[in-house]
Amino acid sequence: EAQVTQNPRYLITVTGKKLTVTCSQNMNHEYMSWYRQDPGLGLRQIYYSMNVEVTDKGDVPEGYKVSRKEKRNFPLILESPSPNQTSLYFCASSLTGPARGYTFGSGTRLTVV
Amino acid sequence: KNEVEQSPQNLTAQEGEFITINCSYSVGISALHWLQQHPGGGIVSLFMLSSGKKKHGRLIATINIQEKHSSLHITASHPRDSAVYICAVRGSQGGSEKLVFGKGTKLTVNP
Repeated sequence: EAQVTQNPRYLITVTGKKLTVTCSQNMNHEYMSWYRQDPGLGLRQIYYSMNVEVTDKGDVPEGYKVSRKEKRNFPLILESPSPNQTSLYFCASSLTGPARGYTFGSGTRLTVV
Repeated sequence: KNEVEQSPQNLTAQEGEFITINCSYSVGISALHWLQQHPGGGIVSLFMLSSGKKKHGRLIATINIQEKHSSLHITASHPRDSAVYICAVRGSQGGSEKLVFGKGTKLTVNP
């Protein structure tokens, strides 16, 4: 089944403890991206990647890192999480080109205390 | 002012009603997407539009590039259509892959 898999689905952590949220897709998509969703603010783009070893900042990249060493994986790294990074996170992927839609992961609900 | 504005924010309808959700944007775009987010949180891509109109089942999406406006219509609405509908635009700046989202329209369809 074609899908984007995020792990974990839920995570509670403490301020400053490094964490990684994994994202993997099995559709050979070039494009992958991370978003956060907050009440009243909606979805906002954190980072995206057009292909292996190519990443770029979205609208809210501060406090996050990403890497794209393989086409299928695009992990989101929080080196020193803070409570304002408590949010619902989504990973998505798509083909490149003009006529593409996005496939989203199921989301990761992160709480930083 | 947000780059992408959706209206209404909340919409309650009776089963069978015709639904319209609007999206206006202020920037040049290469594409506009309509997404559906169910109460469980998962997001599904419904349409990608760069011009004209698309139809899938009871859902119809239209876009007017000159007026910077798109609409999502649901015919013969059903309680299972209850969800948040989100409009997102991809900029037209060369090579731009940034997506900017509207805040969503929460639709509730009562039986």
